[in-house]
Amino acid sequence: EAGVTQSPTHLIKTRGQQATLRCSPISGHTSVYWYQQALGLGLQFLLWYDEGEERNRGNFPPRFSGRQFPNYSSELNVNALELEDSALYLCASSLSNGYTDTQYFGPGTRLTVL
Amino acid sequence: AQSVAQPEDQVNVAEGNPLTVKCTYSVSGNPYLFWYVQYPNRGLQFLLKYITGDNLVKGSYGFEAEFNKSQTSFHLKKPSALVSDSALYFCAVRDPDSWGKLQFGAGTQVVVTP
Repeated sequence: EAGVTQSPTHLIKTRGQQATLRCSPISGHTSVYWYQQALGLGLQFLLWYDEGEERNRGNFPPRFSGRQFPNYSSELNVNALELEDSALYLCASSLSNGYTDTQYFGPGTRLTVL
Repeated sequence: AQSVAQPEDQVNVAEGNPLTVKCTYSVSGNPYLFWYVQYPNRGLQFLLKYITGDNLVKGSYGFEAEFNKSQTSFHLKKPSALVSDSALYFCAVRDPDSWGKLQFGAGTQVVVTP
């Protein structure tokens, strides 16, 4: 069974540009989560999508946004990039929106902002 | 606020010796706890979780964890460490105030020497 996949593996942008990151969940999973892993800041919860709707977001500005498509894949968009947005962005999926469901993570997208 | 603490930045152990990675938590209500492992330039791999029931939870790759409610701890253990267990380990707790969110500890680097 294929795991969570993310693309691209690496992304290099300059300040002010926009970045789009993509995630495909495990087949049959309906919930998708996004986390940021920045140096010195640890793993921070960004967004949660379930059944095409944004269900929750972490303490990030509105320039971090995304969506979930009918096939449950997801896109994370970061507008007006800042240097501190450089990080590993991890996507996870779970079977449903159950509180005890396990989140399974993809390999991540390394975003570098110059 | 919900939180997990991993008091050790790094744990060093010789191959074949027991490995313990410590985690304590602070959460309102019932704690739902998880352990993940991250290898260099990779995403997080799920090891095990505690939801309810038996305080000793068995997981992947020979790892187990002991839930202790009185000490609010959830330590990860392996009876005999392998060099290939060298990685970054994260403890996480479901945040009952923020549905979908996993609150992660800062991580513990495990170094297993031959």
